[in-house]
Amino acid sequence: AQSVTQPDIHITVSEGASLELRCNYSYGATPYLFWYVQSPGQGLQLLLKYFSGDTLVQGIKGFEAEFKRSQSSFNLRKPSVHWSDAAEYFCAVARHSGGGADGLTFGKGTHLIIQP
Amino acid sequence: DAGVIQSPRHEVTEMGQEVTLRCKPISGHDYLFWYRQTMMRGLELLIYFNNNVPIDDSGMPEDRFSAKMPNASFSTLKIQPSEPRDSAVYFCASCRDTTRGQYFGPGTRLTVT
Repeated sequence: AQSVTQPDIHITVSEGASLELRCNYSYGATPYLFWYVQSPGQGLQLLLKYFSGDTLVQGIKGFEAEFKRSQSSFNLRKPSVHWSDAAEYFCAVARHSGGGADGLTFGKGTHLIIQP
Repeated sequence: DAGVIQSPRHEVTEMGQEVTLRCKPISGHDYLFWYRQTMMRGLELLIYFNNNVPIDDSGMPEDRFSAKMPNASFSTLKIQPSEPRDSAVYFCASCRDTTRGQYFGPGTRLTVT
């Protein structure tokens, strides 16, 4: 079965500083990979996705992620964070299934705190 | 587009009672997913449907849980009887193409006392 590890439970970053959130996955082949963000009391919003092609993918809100097959990683980055980026971030993986993707398996999440 | 709609947003019930959570997917989305979020277990897939047919229900915790999708615009998740350990936030998500990511509703916060 596939799994996702987000090693950092909490990360604190100063506003304007760069950000990298780590994600490692376990799956026998190249999975579908996603990053979601959840603000307090809200549902999850899709930031970006990867399933093939260019290993550096761009998402919304200035986020990007890089797929590294050799490291089984899909780290999320942002060059300069804003106070509004404070939220919970989830990495997710989906298996290939019938030409599409299966349901999502999520990591435990990383809580991002922005210092003024 | 109204997004995925879930009701109720909050539900408080007593142990042993039946609970029904409702979801309206985004129009035109053929896939519908139910997830549960708890502090201990994080986000877990419970079940998902394609064209109203359940595809994978391996995440449903036990027989007390059941889900239906009688038509393309409505799904229910029922817990009968409910137990305190069912307390969680339940999310519904939908999509047209599973490879492109899912769109989540705001969730239903269930508290079983």
